[in-house]
Amino acid sequence: DTGVSQDPRHKITKRGQNVTFRCDPISEHNRLYWYRQTLGQGPEFLTYFQNEAQLEKSRLLSDRFSAERPKGSFSTLEIQRTEQGDSAMYLCASSFGSGGGYNEQFFGPGTRLTVL
Amino acid sequence: AQSVSQHNHHVILSEAASLELGCNYSYGGTVNLFWYVQYPGQHLQLLLKYFSGDPLVKGIKGFEAEFIKSKFSFNLRKPSVQWSDTAEYFCAVKVFSGYALNFGKGTSLLVTP
Repeated sequence: DTGVSQDPRHKITKRGQNVTFRCDPISEHNRLYWYRQTLGQGPEFLTYFQNEAQLEKSRLLSDRFSAERPKGSFSTLEIQRTEQGDSAMYLCASSFGSGGGYNEQFFGPGTRLTVL
Repeated sequence: AQSVSQHNHHVILSEAASLELGCNYSYGGTVNLFWYVQYPGQHLQLLLKYFSGDPLVKGIKGFEAEFIKSKFSFNLRKPSVQWSDTAEYFCAVKVFSGYALNFGKGTSLLVTP
């Protein structure tokens, strides 16, 4: 499968625990995005990487959230001290491009987080 | 505030009925416009996109959308829906110089046989 993959697909954790999600983008894609989707809402942008550089972060990304893309390939999203409000689907997307303008983002299947 | 509005949250249609889903946005400047679809149990897929040129764009599975700049709208249409079109549809806007897709809340479409 050459699409965007995410692991795990489901995560159930207790409030206060730390969780980490992984995203593997399409291999030649240099851009990687994280979004969060809650019930009844569209995806909301969290952060963007171009290669290994994190170039944009949303205000939604509180200090409990950290994302990395150490070698410009896969990315991890960590949530520390989880809260019930963090329960959501976390989506990863990737694209290829340079500069501004259009580049189609391809989405992965998401990681569904449930915080008890 | 900058936003993307989808007018209908839930739509129920019979097979062969025509579909139009509304999308309005409030971003200024040059934008790229998208419709994504999420079929049950599947991930988000691009249905169609508008970048520039002809404001009437055609996508996969017989869908089309019209960009009306003066109305800040990008409505999705299909002349005759099928049961397999049952899905969640999301309109998204990207500011030309930006990176993030800004999504509407989505429209859940149920097509009944």
